[in-house]
Amino acid sequence: GDSVTQMEGPVTLSEEACLTINCTYTATGYPSLFWYVQYPGEGLQLLLKATKADDKGSNKGFEATYRKETTSFHLEKGSVQVSDSAVYFCALTNRAGGTSYGKLTFGQGTILTVHP
Amino acid sequence: NAGVTQTPKFQVLKTGQSMTLQCAQDMNHEYMSWYRQDPGMGLRLIHYSVGAGITDQGEVPNGYNVSRSTTEDFPLRLLSAAPSQTSVYFCASSYSPRGYEQYFGPGTRLTVT
Repeated sequence: GDSVTQMEGPVTLSEEACLTINCTYTATGYPSLFWYVQYPGEGLQLLLKATKADDKGSNKGFEATYRKETTSFHLEKGSVQVSDSAVYFCALTNRAGGTSYGKLTFGQGTILTVHP
Repeated sequence: NAGVTQTPKFQVLKTGQSMTLQCAQDMNHEYMSWYRQDPGMGLRLIHYSVGAGITDQGEVPNGYNVSRSTTEDFPLRLLSAAPSQTSVYFCASSYSPRGYEQYFGPGTRLTVT
């Protein structure tokens, strides 16, 4: 079945440092890829998405490129802020039909803490 | 526009008790789903619905029931709570499951003792 693997956390950075959170996936068909962010005490919010190979999703200074050849969707930001401290989830939906139609398959999440 | 709302925010149950977690959305989304979030495991799909009157099982459906009598509401029922159901539960909705953003509610933190 489909699966998503994220780099293990937690990740601790100083403000203005560069961030990369690795994400690789296994899926049949043509999945759409997502990064969701969960701030403390809140639900998940969509950060960015890409729906086909070579698409780049971007939002709030974060970027991720859908790499079909390496089955990866790494999240990057050039300069993190304290307000970026949150849990980040890589996820996919598989546009192929079948069971669990529309299911989001999540990675285990990466906790990011940014210090001033 | 409230988005996706969930009640209650917190709940403590004793083993064997039953309860219903409420979920509502005001975006006229056809697709709704329930996930549970456990440490180190991301979120796992419990049940989902592609429209009023249509529901189906996700990957961890045992011990949970759902129904979808209206487009807006998608309650999750715990039939006989067990400690293994201690988790944070999220409801989500989407215009369509295929590649569209899913909007998540704020979650219900459930503890079963």
